[in-house]
Amino acid sequence: DAGITQSPRHKVTETGTPVTLRCHQTENHRYMYWYRQDPGHGLRLIHYSYGVKDTDKGEVSDGYSVSRSKTEDFLLTLESATSSQTSVYFCAINGGTSHNEQFFGPGTRLTVL
Amino acid sequence: GENVEQHPSTLSVQEGDSAVIKCTYSDSASNYFPWYKQELGKRPQLIIDIRSNVGEKKDQRIAVTLNKTAKHFSLHITETQPEDSAVYFCAASLQGGSEKLVFGKGTKLTVNP
Repeated sequence: DAGITQSPRHKVTETGTPVTLRCHQTENHRYMYWYRQDPGHGLRLIHYSYGVKDTDKGEVSDGYSVSRSKTEDFLLTLESATSSQTSVYFCAINGGTSHNEQFFGPGTRLTVL
Repeated sequence: GENVEQHPSTLSVQEGDSAVIKCTYSDSASNYFPWYKQELGKRPQLIIDIRSNVGEKKDQRIAVTLNKTAKHFSLHITETQPEDSAVYFCAASLQGGSEKLVFGKGTKLTVNP
C-alpha cells in the first residue's frame, strides 16, 4: 500500500495531554498530508508538507502543529488534546507519475477522554 | 476556496443494478478529479481518476464522466456486486502548486444481494 505507515494505530488519551502521531513513507515523495475523518464531514485537511521543513495549514489546522525534519517522516502534534479532536487521522502522500494522486496510510484512531 | 458537493449521501441498490454518484465543484481551475472507495475500518483507496482534458474514463465496471462546463463529475458502477458496498468519496484538486485535494462528504453505497 504505497509504502506508507502510521503510528500508533490506536491511542486513548486524556484531555490536556500532548499527543504526537507519526507518518512514515518509503516512497521518497515530496508531498505529505494529514487529514481527519469524522462522520458527516468526510476527509478534512489539517496540514500538509511540500518538502523538508516546508509546511502549511489546511482547513482545520487550529489546535494542531506539524513538523517534517526529513523526507520520510511527517509528525502531527496535538499540543493539548481536546475531546473535539477525537477522530480518525489519515496521513497521505502524493505519489504516482502524474502528481495529485494521493495514497493514504492505514489511519490512527485517537480517542480523547 | 474550492467546495465539493457530493450526492446522494446514501444509496441502496440491488445486486446487478447500476449505481451513480454525482459531485459538483466550484473552482473552474480544478483539473484533477479522483474517486476513493473506503471499506469499513480501512483506508480510502483510489479507484479511478480523471483529468480535465478527458470527458470520460472507464476501468472494467466503473467509469467516471466529467462535464467541465457544468463543473460536475460522476462515478458510474455497473453490474454492482455486494463487495462494491463501501463509502465512496469524490475529490477535486486545488491550484497553486500545493497538490491539495478537497473531498466531498462521501456516499455510503449498499448493494443488496
